[in-house]
Amino acid sequence: EAGVTQFPSHSVIEKGQTVTLRCDPISGHDNLYWYRRVMGKEIKFLLHFVKESKQDESGMPNNRFLAERTGGTYSTLKVQPAELEDSGVYFCASSQLGSYGYTFGSGTRLTVV
Amino acid sequence: AQTVTQSQPEMSVQEAETVTLSCTYDTSESDYYLFWYKQPPSRQMILVIRQEAYKQQNATENRFSVNFQKAAKSFSLKISDSQLGDAAMYFCAYRETNAGKSTFGDGTTLTVKP
Repeated sequence: EAGVTQFPSHSVIEKGQTVTLRCDPISGHDNLYWYRRVMGKEIKFLLHFVKESKQDESGMPNNRFLAERTGGTYSTLKVQPAELEDSGVYFCASSQLGSYGYTFGSGTRLTVV
Repeated sequence: AQTVTQSQPEMSVQEAETVTLSCTYDTSESDYYLFWYKQPPSRQMILVIRQEAYKQQNATENRFSVNFQKAAKSFSLKISDSQLGDAAMYFCAYRETNAGKSTFGDGTTLTVKP
């Protein structure tokens, strides 16, 4: 089966611009998560979708971040406007309902200059 | 709030030797899951091993095993017969039983010397 796909793999944008990250989970995985790792620190939770619904968005840092999951398939994470501190690696992960662990994507490395 | 601490930013091991990566966590829950994930350079993160807190027996997956000390809130990963392909960053993670999100540690970079 295809894994979790994220694109772009790298993105360099200027402060104030908008960037949209995309995640395609494994087909049939109802759970979809976004995490990010900033400046080599711990991986922090951003939000969790169950199908198309936001189950938990407690980790979203502020209203510059908007996540959507249309039709319960792929998800997008938009940052608008981007700030320097948004730089980091954004990971997407998916799992089946009731599953223990995740399958991660390769991540998107975002650099805001 | 739950926290996960990996006190070893970097570790190295000689090929074929054994290495142990440390992880401690803090929680007031009695039932939860613990995980070790591995992220090789420029590759995606994969699940290495998991442990259910209600199980006393330590989980084992081939050359990977854990030492789960629930009272001490410690969850170390032992890699036996280390191979060059084990070189990666290893993340310890915690998840409550009824929650989706996980809490991760800062990671430990493991170098395997030939």
